[in-house]
Amino acid sequence: GAGVSQSPSNKVTEKGKDVELRCDPISGHTALYWYRQSLGQGLEFLIYFQGNSAPDKSGLPSDRFSAERTGGSVSTLTIQRTQQEDSAVYLCASSLNVVGIRREQYFGPGTRLTVT
Amino acid sequence: AQSVTQLGSHVSVSEGALVLLRCNYSSSVPPYLFWYVQYPNQGLQLLLKYTTGATLVKGINGFEAEFKKSETSFHLTKPSAHMSDAAEYFCAVTSGEDSGYSTLTFGKGTMLLVSP
Repeated sequence: GAGVSQSPSNKVTEKGKDVELRCDPISGHTALYWYRQSLGQGLEFLIYFQGNSAPDKSGLPSDRFSAERTGGSVSTLTIQRTQQEDSAVYLCASSLNVVGIRREQYFGPGTRLTVT
Repeated sequence: AQSVTQLGSHVSVSEGALVLLRCNYSSSVPPYLFWYVQYPNQGLQLLLKYTTGATLVKGINGFEAEFKKSETSFHLTKPSAHMSDAAEYFCAVTSGEDSGYSTLTFGKGTMLLVSP
């Protein structure tokens, strides 16, 4: 079946502009995660959505970052007033988070964001 | 709190040689452990996972890993390296409790270089 998809695959933006990154999880997966992969920083957790519960936003680095998940499926990560330090690959993952079912996460190909 | 340490940001081996990538974790609860591989410009692909039961787990592409609770380790091995194994490898840990919450904590990654 179809895996996790992300768009765009690459995004170049000017400092100060807003960007939106999209993630389509695997159909039926109730959990959705956003991570950021930067040189020298490894993979950092940003935000987690589980069903209709309030998201865990504890990994968002600043209030310029926000995310929403509509209808329990597609998610959009928005970065306002982008800064050069926001340049990174943003990875989305989904999993089937049901008690008793092992919860490996399936990753999309990522969006490479470059802020000039 | 959980953490993962991967010893060696780069590991070089010759084709046909043993591959050993080290991973140590810290977790206050029983862990679930994962190894992911990332090829250039691609997302993360699950190699193998340990949840409960057998401590020696086998994954794709001939890789295996052994969970050693006493050493808090989950090292990845492959008896004979192929050129196609050249990639970045990430070890990750999550809570094994059935809380439904399973954000992954990643190590910083190890780049595997394979020479002819």
